[in-house]
Amino acid sequence: EPEVTQTPSHQVTQMGQEVILRCVPISNHLYFYWYRQILGQKVEFLVSFYNNEISEKSEIFDDQFSVERPDGSNFTLKIRSTKLEDSAMYFCASSRTSGTPDTQYFGPGTRLTVL
Amino acid sequence: QQPVQSPQAVILREGEDAVINCSSSKALYSVHWYRQKHGEAPVFLMILLKGGEQKGHEKISASFNEKKQQSSLYLTASQLSYSGTYFCGTGPRGGGNEKLTFGTGTRLTIIP
Repeated sequence: EPEVTQTPSHQVTQMGQEVILRCVPISNHLYFYWYRQILGQKVEFLVSFYNNEISEKSEIFDDQFSVERPDGSNFTLKIRSTKLEDSAMYFCASSRTSGTPDTQYFGPGTRLTVL
Repeated sequence: QQPVQSPQAVILREGEDAVINCSSSKALYSVHWYRQKHGEAPVFLMILLKGGEQKGHEKISASFNEKKQQSSLYLTASQLSYSGTYFCGTGPRGGGNEKLTFGTGTRLTIIP
């Protein structure tokens, strides 16, 4: 069964450093998302992406964040200058269609630890 | 505005039933239910669309009451594998496939 994959599974970085989190969505899916989950809390939407453009972003997704689909398979989240409060689990998700609600399939996540 | 889930946590013995509620102060257009085990990704359970429908998957079913702006997840004859945190995610107005707004979760613990 196709699945969303993410790398790395765990990233440790120093405050102020740039990190890139990578995702490979399910191959025939057209809509991509990043969510994050701070330990013990709920899952929070960051950004959605379609047709090489951001569709919607949350207040969390400020100028320090960016997303890119550099090729036909990868979808990346970049945090330019990490802060301690960026420590969280970051989930990539993808869905096939829009217009009507469709299942968003989540990847296994990348645990980001900012020291 | 995030949906409110109740209860926050529940402990059941294997074989007992559970109901998890998800309520919104805003009109609901779709409700997505996920289960997350500790340290893992949320796993999709089902989507319900406005119209008051009910869906089922083996011993897990859900209802969507548009007028009450509420969805409920029913777990029948719970198994140990049902343990985890259940999240409801509400879809945006118009049914577009954009962001899901998740509730704070219900932690379900099944004991033998």
